[in-house]
Amino acid sequence: GENVEQHPSTLSVQEGDSAVIKCTYSDSASNYFPWYKQELGKGPQLIIDIRSNVGEKKDQRIAVTLNKTAKHFSLHITETQPEDSAVYFCAARNTNAGKSTFGDGTTLTVKP
Amino acid sequence: GAGVSQSPRYKVAKRGQDVALRCDPISGHVSLFWYQQALGQGPEFLTYFQNEAQLDKSGLPSDRFFAERPEGSVSTLKIQRTQQEDSAVYLCASSLALSGLAGGRNEQFFGPGTRLTVL
Repeated sequence: GENVEQHPSTLSVQEGDSAVIKCTYSDSASNYFPWYKQELGKGPQLIIDIRSNVGEKKDQRIAVTLNKTAKHFSLHITETQPEDSAVYFCAARNTNAGKSTFGDGTTLTVKP
Repeated sequence: GAGVSQSPRYKVAKRGQDVALRCDPISGHVSLFWYQQALGQGPEFLTYFQNEAQLDKSGLPSDRFFAERPEGSVSTLKIQRTQQEDSAVYLCASSLALSGLAGGRNEQFFGPGTRLTVL
């Protein structure tokens, strides 16, 4: 089955700096890669996603890149703000199969 | 609001008790997923429905876990004879698209979860 590894497990940055979180996956059949933000006591919330036919996607301060050959994808947050502090999860999914496989999460702390 | 709702939000059970966790998906969403999230971990897949059909239950950890979605809307996850290792947050998610539908919307919308503590 699919295996997703996520690094780093914790990340602390100064407000205004950039943050990068990286994930690798194992199943070449995965074709959809969402990123989620989870705040304390809440469910994961989708912040950006990318499909396997696209190499990069950007939405304001958030961008995601995908390298299908190397089976890795990354989340980039620029101009970080204290409200960006949360746990971030990457996931990989074969949209024909349904289920998502998640990484173990990255706790991002943005210091004011 | 129009999001995914789950009840109860918190459940404390004594070891050996049965529990039932409810999920109300977004109206019109075809697909429904259950995940288990242990403390400090990512969500782990339990089972998946497309309308009322349970298409994948490969993630259910034992035969004490049972899920149903009889009318293709509300779903219930039942855990029989709860054990301490069942303590976790149980997340429900729904999705508009049928899996495999080309160009379909694959985004999963998550509920707030039910935190189950087994004493």
